[in-house]
Amino acid sequence: GENVGLHLPTLSVQEGDNSIINCAYSNSASDYFIWYKQESGKGPQFIIDIRSNMDKRQGQRVTVLLNKTVKHLSLQIAATQPGDSAVYFCAESFQGAQKLVFGQGTRLTINP
Amino acid sequence: KAGVTQTPRYLIKTRGQQVTLSCSPISGHRSVSWYQQTPGQGLQFLFEYFSETQRNKGNFPGRFSGRQFSNSRSEMNVSTLELGDSALYLCASSPPGASNEKLFFGSGTQLSVL
Repeated sequence: GENVGLHLPTLSVQEGDNSIINCAYSNSASDYFIWYKQESGKGPQFIIDIRSNMDKRQGQRVTVLLNKTVKHLSLQIAATQPGDSAVYFCAESFQGAQKLVFGQGTRLTINP
Repeated sequence: KAGVTQTPRYLIKTRGQQVTLSCSPISGHRSVSWYQQTPGQGLQFLFEYFSETQRNKGNFPGRFSGRQFSNSRSEMNVSTLELGDSALYLCASSPPGASNEKLFFGSGTQLSVL
């Protein structure tokens, strides 16, 4: 069935270090991928997205890497800050799907 | 520009009742989607509307329904509530041309069924 999974349910990092959150997807037809951040009591907030014709995309302190060969997606956060503490979701879609399929999420905690 | 607005923020209902949740998308967004979020199942797609038409529906029973109005505002309804319907219900809107991929979410309605 549809499933977008995450390798690690929780991740703890030191403040100032880089964080890497991984995601495996199962639908080889997916051509669009997106990362969301969800803080307690809030809805998911868009971080960055990437299409399958790219393998890397950079934003402000974030980078998304896509490896279509092994159906793997990762989110890198540089110089992690306390405000980065949240649950991070990856999601996938394909043309015409008109929906996103979400992974289970990874909780990122920042140690001072 | 105002974000996606969902009302009410919290709801408490009892089994067998029905509930209606409301969503106002970002101005200019015509696509509205609904997702259910639970600790066990994560974010699950309910349905998507565009120009008052349901274009896609997830694997939920017929007790879950929705509609969209001409101003793009949307409502979802759950009839004959069950304990398992307790969840955070999220509404999201998508900008024109985004093919309902890049979603902007509201803060959700937290529904508790007792």
